[in-house]
Amino acid sequence: QVQLQQWGAGLLKPSETLSLTCAVYGGSFSGYYWNWIRQPPGKGLEWIGEMNHSGSANYNPSLKSRVTISIDTSKNQFSLKLSSVTAADTAVYYCARGKWMVRGVIISPIDYWGQGTLVTVSS
Amino acid sequence: ESVLTQSPGTLSLSPGERATLSCRASQSVTSRYLAWYQQKSGQAPRLLIHGASNRATGIPDRFSGSGSGTDFTLTISRLEPEDFAVYYCHQYGSSPYTFGQGTELEIK
Repeated sequence: QVQLQQWGAGLLKPSETLSLTCAVYGGSFSGYYWNWIRQPPGKGLEWIGEMNHSGSANYNPSLKSRVTISIDTSKNQFSLKLSSVTAADTAVYYCARGKWMVRGVIISPIDYWGQGTLVTVSS
Repeated sequence: ESVLTQSPGTLSLSPGERATLSCRASQSVTSRYLAWYQQKSGQAPRLLIHGASNRATGIPDRFSGSGSGTDFTLTISRLEPEDFAVYYCHQYGSSPYTFGQGTELEIK
């Protein structure tokens, strides 16, 4: 059974850097892309970015200048850093297991999610 | 960026009825890489459908997906009480991956 467990600071001041980490238990780590998604309170889902075990990354252009996703294959963990946060970055942040590709074909999309972390940005 | 527009915004139905949810993309979705998720309050989304029409593991067969190109549909054949939730479509074929704004399925 695949489980994702995430942690990080839940309260930040404007201009600080958001930092979250997600640990993956069960299943393969190397065969997938690992994602971060966020959801402002009462609103919809926004994809932030993804990275695979080789370090190949894709980011949402709307956040790309402030986002860094990193991966630690020795610990089956991946992390998110979002710099210069503002109140608009207040959201529940989810880590998630993303696409699994075989010979260029996406076999499955985002399927397993972490429990979510509410990050509030307030002075 | 492919913008996904879901309709209706809210759907009011009774248990036992049939639900039809729509998702329209601003660009053709690559290789039918379209998924549907169910989200209940305070929970992470749950994958229902991938590849436009393939049920995820453990998903009841009352859930079905169809469509291609820019128009996709999620159908719930006979609503159970636990089906009342928010549903999102998601395209994962073209970065940046995007989600629809959601359809809230509420009890009438």
